[in-house]
Parts: sequence; C-alpha cells; structure tokens
Amino acid sequence: GAGVSQSPRYKVAKRGQDVALRCDPISGHVSLFWYQQALGQGPEFLTYFQNEAQLDKSGLPSDRFFAERPEGSVSTLKIQRTQQEDSAVYLCASSLVGASGGLGTQYFGPGTRLLVL
Amino acid sequence: QQQVKQSPQSLIVQKGGISIINCAYENTAFDYFPWYQQFPGKGPALLIAIRPDVSEKKEGRFTISFNKSAKQFSLHIMDSQPGDSATYFCAASNSGKFYFGSGTKLNVKP
Repeated sequence: GAGVSQSPRYKVAKRGQDVALRCDPISGHVSLFWYQQALGQGPEFLTYFQNEAQLDKSGLPSDRFFAERPEGSVSTLKIQRTQQEDSAVYLCASSLVGASGGLGTQYFGPGTRLLVL
Repeated sequence: QQQVKQSPQSLIVQKGGISIINCAYENTAFDYFPWYQQFPGKGPALLIAIRPDVSEKKEGRFTISFNKSAKQFSLHIMDSQPGDSATYFCAASNSGKFYFGSGTKLNVKP
C-alpha cells in the first residue's frame, strides 16, 4: 500500500471489553511506533518496535496495554479490560530506518478512534 | 512533566499573512526537531524538520528557526493560505522516541 493503514478506523467498546487495534506499516519500514492522542492534545508515545523487537514500551500506561509485531511487519495493540480513560485516537507510525540510526521520517496512519462507554 | 511546550494554542491569520508558532524544550539531548501538520480525521504528516546544528531551515513557504542556547524553535508560515488551516505540532526526538507539543490550531481567514 501507499501509506500506513490502521483498522478499525472507529471502535466502540463497553467498559471491561478487550480490544485489538491493527497497524499495517509501509512495506519495508524497519521501525514502528504507537501513540495515543487525546482530544485536543499532541500524540503521546506508547511503544516502539525495530523489526519484531519491542525496544521501548515505557509509554504504555498500564499492564492492560500490550503490543506485538511478531513478524516485523503488521503490529497489533491490545487493550484489555478497557476503561473510559482509554478513549482516544491511537496512531501508528512507521519509518524506514531504525531509531538508533537517527532521523527516519515517521509516516503516520489515520488512527483508530476508540470510545469506551 | 511536559517535554515540549507549544504556543499559542490557537491562531487566526489573514490570508497572505505570516503564521508563527513557538516551541520550547528542556532536554538538551534532543537531536531532531520536526513539525507536523494534522487535518481532522487524519494522522500527522511531516512538514519540515531541523537538526540542532542548523539555525534555520526553509522549505517553500515554511521556515524553522532554531535557537539552541534558548532551547526554542519556531515555525513560520509565509503567505499563509486557507488551505494551511490545520493543527500544527512541534516535536523533539532523541534516539527515536518522539515528544510532541500540545498543538496549535491555525485558522487562515480568506
């Protein structure tokens, strides 16, 4: 595909429900990032993968959040036992180079808007 | 603690005017400073970026000014157009981890 795609685009979940958000990065991109964007705020870093290795997960807000990228391409962000405060837009970004190599441009997907009722 | 502080929160500019958005940071280890443009319902898109060894970078109507000693950087949009109306985010990065400002909603009046 031409860009980063995310699915679903919108998700409504009942409090306590588990959700899974998918990210398809640009083909060949080494690095993949997940961000959480609250309404009217900037994106906040959640976690980062270089190929299949999760190199930084310091931004995950709790152990209910889990991300994986088993084959170094598609990634899934899973949120267990969703809470109302989890309502946000979840953005995925990918870049061609590894973060340790510095300045790879991050290309963002359109995001998944999660609403927890 | 917010790593990158951005102002103003919103900005109204007449068509043809100059839009200026400011950001400040604390961590001197940051080595990459991008600006992103975001339209409603879309993900942020890279607009322009600068390294700390350069004081200014210009691409078309967009210019980043960087003041390393003051730990500040700004985006200037020359000849602002209604199509520039969007939310703009500054960011700072070290080793790939990006910290974003809170955003500036720009409205360019025709």
